[in-house]
Amino acid sequence: EAGVTQSPTHLIKTRGQQVTLRCSPISGHTSVYWYQQALGLGLQFLLWYDEGEERNRGNFPPRFSGRQFPNYSSELNVNALELEDSALYLCASSGVKTGVNSLLHFGNGTRLTVT
Amino acid sequence: SQKIEQNSEALNIQEGKTATLTCNYTNYSPAYLQWYRQDPGRGPVFLLLIRENEKEKRKERLKVTFDTTLKQSLFHITASQPADSATYLCAPSGGYNKLIFGAGTRLAVHP
Repeated sequence: EAGVTQSPTHLIKTRGQQVTLRCSPISGHTSVYWYQQALGLGLQFLLWYDEGEERNRGNFPPRFSGRQFPNYSSELNVNALELEDSALYLCASSGVKTGVNSLLHFGNGTRLTVT
Repeated sequence: SQKIEQNSEALNIQEGKTATLTCNYTNYSPAYLQWYRQDPGRGPVFLLLIRENEKEKRKERLKVTFDTTLKQSLFHITASQPADSATYLCAPSGGYNKLIFGAGTRLAVHP
């Protein structure tokens, strides 16, 4: 069984630019979660999608957005990049619809560097 | 607001000893608590889930306890090996639709 796949693995962008990160969940999983992990810090919850809809959102500005496609893959978009957006962006999928006890399967992330 | 605390200092232990990692949480009452392992440059990997009505859970060399009165979970690795060296994250369920993670504790097991 293929795991969660994310692309690209690394990305370098300039302040003010826009970026799109992609995630393919495990086959059969309908929920996709996005987390931001800045260097040396913990995982910060960004977004949760299930069945194509945004179900919950973390404490991030509106320039962080995303969507989930009919095949359950997902994109995370970040507009007007700032230096502090430099981080590892992790995508996770779950086959359980309720988030409380969801066992998450993570991809290996996209390392975004903003210069 | 919900807060999770894990030892920020790295834990250094000798091979063969038992490693004990602590996770404390405040301002909420999670029904579940999960532990994950994260290696450098990789995504976290699920290890164990314990429910609020379970005091202890074991899986091979791993043991997790969950004390809802103390608002604390302890994660033990017995007979530790250098391959156990990693960062360990606890994640008390943060309520519907959201799993909140602690910042993690880095474990280094020395031969």
